[in-house]
Amino acid sequence: DAKTTQPNSMESNEEEPVHLPCNHSTISGTDYIHWYRQLPSQGPEYVIHGLTSNVNNRMASLAIAEDRKSSTLILHRATLRDAAVYYCILPQGGSEKLVFGKGTKLTVNP
Amino acid sequence: GAVVSQHPSRVICKSGTSVKIECRSLDFQATTMFWYRQFPKQSLMLMATSNEGSKATYEQGVEKDKFLINHASLTLSTLTVTSAHPEDSSFYICSAGTSGRKNEQFFGPGTRLTVL
Repeated sequence: DAKTTQPNSMESNEEEPVHLPCNHSTISGTDYIHWYRQLPSQGPEYVIHGLTSNVNNRMASLAIAEDRKSSTLILHRATLRDAAVYYCILPQGGSEKLVFGKGTKLTVNP
Repeated sequence: GAVVSQHPSRVICKSGTSVKIECRSLDFQATTMFWYRQFPKQSLMLMATSNEGSKATYEQGVEKDKFLINHASLTLSTLTVTSAHPEDSSFYICSAGTSGRKNEQFFGPGTRLTVL
């Protein structure tokens, strides 16, 4: 998988927006950008994915840089339930395999 | 939709015994299933990929004779940890993909294995 770099941890306050960055400077033209999150003691959960254009769904938005070397996962209003480890993953060549890095541990303060 | 279940959620066993973990896709047919292992405070490590009716493909360093994977149907995959030892204690998680939603994987809730 193309290498991704994420901050180890971030903090946010409840009901404020959160911007989680991911750098992927070695991304290839066909690599999708995937985001998953893992709540404590649970399996990961799909959040969002994109290729070139910004994407929105009910959980989050994904902003992709024009050169695709970085992306940002945006949680518009963080809740306590959003406290999790967020993983940015780039499966290569259309593979379904997900290789998880260390991710960003998001803490949401009440 | 797209729910994946695992059974059991927790298991404690004695060293030397074998443990079977089931992974089921409840409301879709899983063309591919994946097995991961996660040690405390670490990330998920992919162990193997399985497709229905064919042998699993194991990641480098994962012993195929120790971690037996059977993908008997489009809704069921099993992982058997044979002759378990305390170092096999971990959180085992499965995921499933379906051809209709290729860019999403659906994860089970995980199985906590403790080997005494």
